[in-house]
Amino acid sequence: DAGVIQSPRHEVTEMGQEVTLRCKPISGHNSLFWYRQTMMRGLELLIYFNNNVPIDDSGMPEDRFSAKMPNASFSTLKIQPSEPRDSAVYFCASTEGPRGGGELFFGEGSRLTVL
Amino acid sequence: KQEVTQIPAALSVPEGENLVLNCSFTDSAIYNLQWFRQDPGKGLTSLLLIQSSQREQTSGRLNASLDKSSGRSTLYIAASQPGDSATYLCAVRGNTGGFKTIFGAGTRLFVKA
Repeated sequence: DAGVIQSPRHEVTEMGQEVTLRCKPISGHNSLFWYRQTMMRGLELLIYFNNNVPIDDSGMPEDRFSAKMPNASFSTLKIQPSEPRDSAVYFCASTEGPRGGGELFFGEGSRLTVL
Repeated sequence: KQEVTQIPAALSVPEGENLVLNCSFTDSAIYNLQWFRQDPGKGLTSLLLIQSSQREQTSGRLNASLDKSSGRSTLYIAASQPGDSATYLCAVRGNTGGFKTIFGAGTRLFVKA
C-alpha cells in the first residue's frame, strides 16, 4: 500500500490567498483526520471524518478553514483567506474500522508558509 | 476534556542506555493508546498500538505499557542507539465524544554515540 498521500508537500503563498491541501487515505480506511503541527501548540486535531461524514470539527480554528471528503479516497482542507499565523505543517491521517479504533497512519505532511 | 502530558520534554543519553519515556492522560475512558516517532521535518511513524484491554505491547527493542486506572503509559527503549534520536509522541484515543485522538507534546530524545 502507498500509505497516506498528501499534496502539496510544500506551499508558499501570500496572505489573503486561498490554499487547498489534499489527502488520499489508505485504501479501506474509513476514518480520516486532519491535524496541524506548530512548535508552539504541537499537534492539534482540526477535524475528523468517519465514512466521509464530518464527525467533529471543533478543532477548526475559524470560518476561514473548511474541510470536505467527497468520497472515501479523497479529502481537502481549504484555508480562505490565508494568514501568516496559518503557517504550519498540516498532516492527514487515516485508520480503519467503523469506530476508527485501529492504528493511525500519517502522511508526510504539507508544510504551509503564508507570507 | 482529555489532556496528555509527556515527561521529560527532552532527554539526552549515551548510546547503550536503557530508557523510559512517560505519558500520562487525564481521562481513563480510552479506546487505545499509540506511540509514534517523528524525525525532524518528517511525518509520524507508528511504533506501538495498545488497545484499552491490553497491558503492554512489544516490538524489537521497544516495549510500551498501559495502566488505564492510573492514566499512564511508558515506552521503554532497550540498548539505545544514535538512530533512536527523534521525537516520541504519545497519542490517546477516547471512547466517547467522537473518538478524538489527542497527542502529547512529545519527548525529544538524543542518543550520543
